[in-house]
Amino acid sequence: DGGITQSPKYLFRKEGQNVTLSCEQNLNHDAMYWYRQDPGQGLRLIYYSQIVNDFQKGDIAEGYSVSREKKESFPLTVTSAQKNPTAFYLCASSPSGVGETQYFGPGTRLLVL
Amino acid sequence: SQQGEEDPQALSIQEGENATMNCSYKTSINNLQWYRQNSGRGLVHLILIRSNEREKHSGRLRVTLDTSKKSSSLLITASRAADTASYFCATDRGSSGSARQLTFGSGTQLTVLP
Repeated sequence: DGGITQSPKYLFRKEGQNVTLSCEQNLNHDAMYWYRQDPGQGLRLIYYSQIVNDFQKGDIAEGYSVSREKKESFPLTVTSAQKNPTAFYLCASSPSGVGETQYFGPGTRLLVL
Repeated sequence: SQQGEEDPQALSIQEGENATMNCSYKTSINNLQWYRQNSGRGLVHLILIRSNEREKHSGRLRVTLDTSKKSSSLLITASRAADTASYFCATDRGSSGSARQLTFGSGTQLTVLP
């Protein structure tokens, strides 16, 4: 099956803890994205990467970090500096860059204990 | 503030009726896309319309774009209960790689009653 996967489906974070959300795609897409969605809201861009070993900050990058060591993988770390991390996190990919159709994963819901 | 804003925020119709959602945006765009999201799931791409296009069809979907009014509409004809979802418009704007982003609106929640 071709597609984009995210894990885990639910993630619980304790105070002061860093947590990492996984995103993997086997679509051979160059570009990958991380979005945050709060209840009843649209998506806000956290980080995106157009090519391996390169990534750019989006509108709300503070308190988050990413890496892009492999084309297939774009993990997102929610650091302890992110004071309000409770949200639904969506990963997406597109063939070669921004402005194109994006393909989304099923999402990870992050909750704070 | 968000580039795209959908209207209405919520829409409830009977099965078989048509549903129309609108999206307004503020700056010039390269293209505008519509996505659908079922509750608690990822987004699914529905249709993309470029800035030089005025209308596009895909099955029961019809999208129009009026760049002079900076607005777009999504029409779903003969709606079904399975069309119940949130619908988002997303605009692609900017001219350089780092400036080009997809900016999403806050969505229209469509409920189709059986």
